[in-house]
Amino acid sequence: KAGVTQTPRYLIKTRGQQVTLSCSPISGHRSVSWYQQTPGQGLQFLFEYFSETQRNKGNFPGRFSGRQFSNSRSEMNVSTLELGDSALYLCASSFTGGIRTEAFFGQGTRLTVV
Amino acid sequence: TQLLEQSPQFLSIQEGENLTVYCNSSSVFSSLQWYRQEPGEGPVLLVTVVTGGEVKKLKRLTFQFGDARKDSSLHITAAQPGDTGLYLCAGDMKTSYDKVIFGPGTSLSVIP
Repeated sequence: KAGVTQTPRYLIKTRGQQVTLSCSPISGHRSVSWYQQTPGQGLQFLFEYFSETQRNKGNFPGRFSGRQFSNSRSEMNVSTLELGDSALYLCASSFTGGIRTEAFFGQGTRLTVV
Repeated sequence: TQLLEQSPQFLSIQEGENLTVYCNSSSVFSSLQWYRQEPGEGPVLLVTVVTGGEVKKLKRLTFQFGDARKDSSLHITAAQPGDTGLYLCAGDMKTSYDKVIFGPGTSLSVIP
C-alpha cells in the first residue's frame, strides 16, 4: 500500500506570492490533516478535511486555506506569503471510525519564503 | 492550553544511558500513539497502545499506556545515536468524530 505523498518536497517563494501544496493520502483514508512545523517546534495544527468538508481548524490566519477532492486528495494554499511562513508543512491521513485512529504522515514540503 | 503535555521538552544523554519520556493529559483517550521524527522528515508511527495498562516493546523501546488511559511513557534502554529525534505522542479522542491530538514533543539527542 502506497504511503502519503506530498508534492513538492521543496519550494522557494518570494514574499507576497501564493503557494499551493498537494497531499495524496493512503488509499481508503478519508481524513487529511495539515500541520505547520518550524525548526525545533512541535506540530501546529492547520486544518482537517473529511469527505471534502473541513471539520476542524487551527488558529491560523485566513491566508491559509485548503480543500479536499472527491478522491480524498487535498491541497493547501497560502496567499500573500510572509517570511514567517517558512516551515515544513506536513500532511497526515487517517482511517477513522475504527477502534483506534492513527495518523500517517508524508515526508513534508519544505517551504522557504525569501 | 495543551490537551497533551510531554516531558521533558529536551533531553541530551550519552550513548548507553537509559531514559524515559512522559505524555500526560487530563483527558481519556481511546488509543495513544508514539511517533519519532528526524529533521526534515515526517513523523513515523512507532506504536499504538489501546488498552489501559498495556505495555508494548519495540526492541530497546518500551511503551506503556496508563491504567486510566490518560497518560503514557516511553522508556529507551541503552540509547544509541540512531535514537536521536523528536518523539511525539498523540491521543485519539472519540468526540462527535475521531480526533487526533498531538503533544508538543520531546527532543532527544544521544551523544556518541
